[in-house]
Amino acid sequence: DVKVTQSSRYLVKRTGEKVFLECVQDMDHENMFWYRQDPGLGLRLIYFSYDVKMKEKGDIPEGYSVSREKKERFSLILESASTNQTSMYLCASSWLQETQYFGPGTRLLVL
Amino acid sequence: KQEVTQIPAALSVPEGENLVLNCSFTDSAIYNLQWFRQDPGKGLTSLLLIQSSQREQTSGRLNASLDKSSGRSTLYIAASQPGDSATYLCAVFDMWGAAGNKLTFGGGTRVLVKP
Repeated sequence: DVKVTQSSRYLVKRTGEKVFLECVQDMDHENMFWYRQDPGLGLRLIYFSYDVKMKEKGDIPEGYSVSREKKERFSLILESASTNQTSMYLCASSWLQETQYFGPGTRLLVL
Repeated sequence: KQEVTQIPAALSVPEGENLVLNCSFTDSAIYNLQWFRQDPGKGLTSLLLIQSSQREQTSGRLNASLDKSSGRSTLYIAASQPGDSATYLCAVFDMWGAAGNKLTFGGGTRVLVKP
């Protein structure tokens, strides 16, 4: 079974803090993705990576950066958290354009 | 730009009734279409993937059809059960950018199956 894990289920941070969200997959997938999900706006792609050290911007990359130093690990970084980044963050991985496997999500609250 | 629409946004049916969930997309140049289930506060679980060359895909009580030319897919769930209550999302895989692919998601249909 494919397993995608995320470092935290719930996170509370203050405005201006630097926030790291980590995602690990155990299936040697090339592709990894970060989404955010908001009521009424659905799932939106923030960044994705198709190989180690490679990244592409998604639909809403502003205010975020990513890091992929190892194939199994993809980190999302909020350089200076703001209240409008309060959201559910979902990580996923896939082999090429096949099925995406999602982690359980991290619910982030920025105060 | 690909747009994916799911109508209705919410659906309530009595237990035992068949569920029919609709998905439409604007650009027919897709690699595949995927259906997911999401329980409240949880991540997404993949249900079915239909390749662009396929017409349908089945898994147990689930059957998904794909009509690429008209930009439509339908997910059928036979003999619904209260445990089928969840949000169902469809997503299409486009070619995007020089080096990668991305999924475009619909807004989802929230399903309630009443005992």
